[in-house]
Amino acid sequence: AQSVSQHNHHVILSEAASLELGCNYSYGGTVNLFWYVQYPGQHLQLLLKYFSGDPLVKGIKGFEAEFIKSKFSFNLRKPSVQWSDTAEYFCAVISDSWGKLQFGAGTQVVVTP
Amino acid sequence: DSGVTQTPKHLITATGQRVTLRCSPRSGDLSVYWYQQSLDQGLQFLIQYYNGEERAKGNILERFSAQQFPDLHSELNLSSLELGDSALYFCASSEQGALTDTQYFGPGTRLTVL
Repeated sequence: AQSVSQHNHHVILSEAASLELGCNYSYGGTVNLFWYVQYPGQHLQLLLKYFSGDPLVKGIKGFEAEFIKSKFSFNLRKPSVQWSDTAEYFCAVISDSWGKLQFGAGTQVVVTP
Repeated sequence: DSGVTQTPKHLITATGQRVTLRCSPRSGDLSVYWYQQSLDQGLQFLIQYYNGEERAKGNILERFSAQQFPDLHSELNLSSLELGDSALYFCASSEQGALTDTQYFGPGTRLTVL
């Protein structure tokens, strides 16, 4: 079955710590990959996306993600988090064989001052 | 602000009732998507419309239906409501509904079924 897995459901870290959130997918064919963020009480916002080309993608607010095709992974990173990065982060995948955006379960990130 | 609007923000109703959720896409976007977010199921794709026509279907129950009107706004109709339908319902829109399109999400409608 086609699926998107996010390794951590909850992450708690201190300001200035580095963040890495894992995302793996199981899809055949060509995939397009996204990371969305949902700040408390707000709508989902796109952080970054990968379609093709350089597998290291830079997004907004200092986030980046690396697509590793051989590992079916698209991990999100930020070198130094801020309190304002407290949010829920969703990995999402759309494949040409599936045609629909499939979200992972989300990772709740809490950054403590 | 994504430019996608949804009404109402909150809806409280009883089991067995029917409700309609409304979504207006960003200006110029032709495709609309509906998602359900619940604690146990996470974010689930329900249905997609492109320029008035149904394009893709996900895990949408038969009690649920949707349509996209000529002015491109969309409505999601939920009928014979059950307690388990309580969730946050998001609408998203994109330019062409292509796989590479970014989907812009609205603020959601929180449905509570009592």
